[in-house]
Amino acid sequence: SQKIEQNSEALNIQEGKTATLTCNYTNYSPAYLQWYRQDPGRGPVFLLLIRENEKEKRKERLKVTFDTTLKQSLFHITASQPADSATYLCALGGSSNTGKLIFGQGTTLQVKP
Amino acid sequence: DGGITQSPKYLFRKEGQNVTLSCEQNLNHDAMYWYRQDPGQGLRLIYYSQIVNDFQKGDIAEGYSVSREKKESFPLTVTSAQKNPTAFYLCASSFPPYPNQPQHFGDGTRLSIL
Repeated sequence: SQKIEQNSEALNIQEGKTATLTCNYTNYSPAYLQWYRQDPGRGPVFLLLIRENEKEKRKERLKVTFDTTLKQSLFHITASQPADSATYLCALGGSSNTGKLIFGQGTTLQVKP
Repeated sequence: DGGITQSPKYLFRKEGQNVTLSCEQNLNHDAMYWYRQDPGQGLRLIYYSQIVNDFQKGDIAEGYSVSREKKESFPLTVTSAQKNPTAFYLCASSFPPYPNQPQHFGDGTRLSIL
């Protein structure tokens, strides 16, 4: 069955460093991969989308890579700030026109001042 | 401001009771989705609808029902047949083409058993 794995342990880093979060998947060939941010008690907020034929996408301090051979996406936050502390979810979408996404369980990032 | 409104924020269900969670959007999105989130688990799809008066079961539809009578509204009923309803419920919407568009989420309803 389709499976998505994100780092289950929280990631703790120092302010100003680069945070790198991992999303691995098996038994699936996604056409798209999306990253969301979720704060406690709130709904997820969309951050970035990357297509299967794209290797890298950037938006301000955020960078996403997508390696379909390794079946992995990396999500980087450069010059991290305490305000970046949140849970980050990856989600995979197929090529069918249903809009269905498969979500990972999320990785909690804690940026310490 | 456009967005998705879920209500209530907290809901308590008694044994044998059906409860309905509200989801309203003013983003003019065609598609709407209901997810369930449990601690340490990813979001799991309950139901989705791509057009008014049509909806499909997601991965965990048993014990739930929905309706889509208006484009703006997609209420979810948690029936008494759902034996483990305690969870955080999230509603989302998006434009076509799917899944090339992001999903916009409400701020959820937390359902607990009395």
